[in-house]
Amino acid sequence: DADVTQTPRNRITKTGKRIMLECSQTKGHDRMYWYRQDPGLGLRLIYYSFDVKDINKGEISDGYSVSRQAQAKFSLSLESAIPNQTALYFCATSDFPTGGDTQYFGPGTRLTVL
Amino acid sequence: DQQVKQNSPSLSVQEGRISILNCDYTNSMFDYFLWYKKYPAEGPTFLISISSIKDKNEDGRFTVFLNKSAKHLSLHIVPSQPGDSAVYFCAANSLSSGTYKYIFGTGTRLKVLA
Repeated sequence: DADVTQTPRNRITKTGKRIMLECSQTKGHDRMYWYRQDPGLGLRLIYYSFDVKDINKGEISDGYSVSRQAQAKFSLSLESAIPNQTALYFCATSDFPTGGDTQYFGPGTRLTVL
Repeated sequence: DQQVKQNSPSLSVQEGRISILNCDYTNSMFDYFLWYKKYPAEGPTFLISISSIKDKNEDGRFTVFLNKSAKHLSLHIVPSQPGDSAVYFCAANSLSSGTYKYIFGTGTRLKVLA
C-alpha cells in the first residue's frame, strides 16, 4: 500500500467551483506539504504544515486554503477555481529531523479547470 | 527569478555509460540539496541528498557532487540503465536560516537508450 495517497487522481471542474484535494499518509510524519507543478516549471510550494496546529503559506498560496484535520490528513481547497489553477498537484510528507527532511510524495492529482 | 536552474531540459545516454545531470543555484544561503526522480503518473521519489558541509555523496550507482564556490551540483549515474529513464529534479533549501522553503529546478528528462 502507498504511504502517501491523494484523492482524486484526476478532476475536471468548471471556473468558480469549489474543489478539495485530499492527502493521507501512513508514514507517521509530522510535516506535510502541498505543491503544484506546471509544464516547464519545477514544483512550487503552496502550503506546508509542521504539525496539526501549524499551517504556513508557501510560495504561491493565493487562491488556495488548507486544513490539517489530523497528523495523517492534509487537504487543499480551491475556493473558487480558475483556469490558471490547472496543474498537477502533489502532496508530500517529511520526518524532520530524523529523516533529514527528505520529502515523500504522493502520486499527484491532475486538476483541469475549464 | 529562478534560484535553482536545470539548464538542460533533456539528456540521452547510451546504456552502460555515465549520465551527468547538472543543477545551478544562485542563493548562497542554500545548504541542503536533494535529487528526486519522477516517472510518468507518479510522484517524485527521493534519490540522494547532500549537505553543504560535504562536496560528494555516493549511494550505489548515484553520486552527487557539490561545488559551493561555483554554486553548482551534479548527479552522476554510473552505469546508466534503461530503468533510469525519468525526469530528475534538483531541490535546494536553507536549513540553517530556519525558514522552510524547498526550491525545485524545472527538471531534466533523462532517456537511457538500450
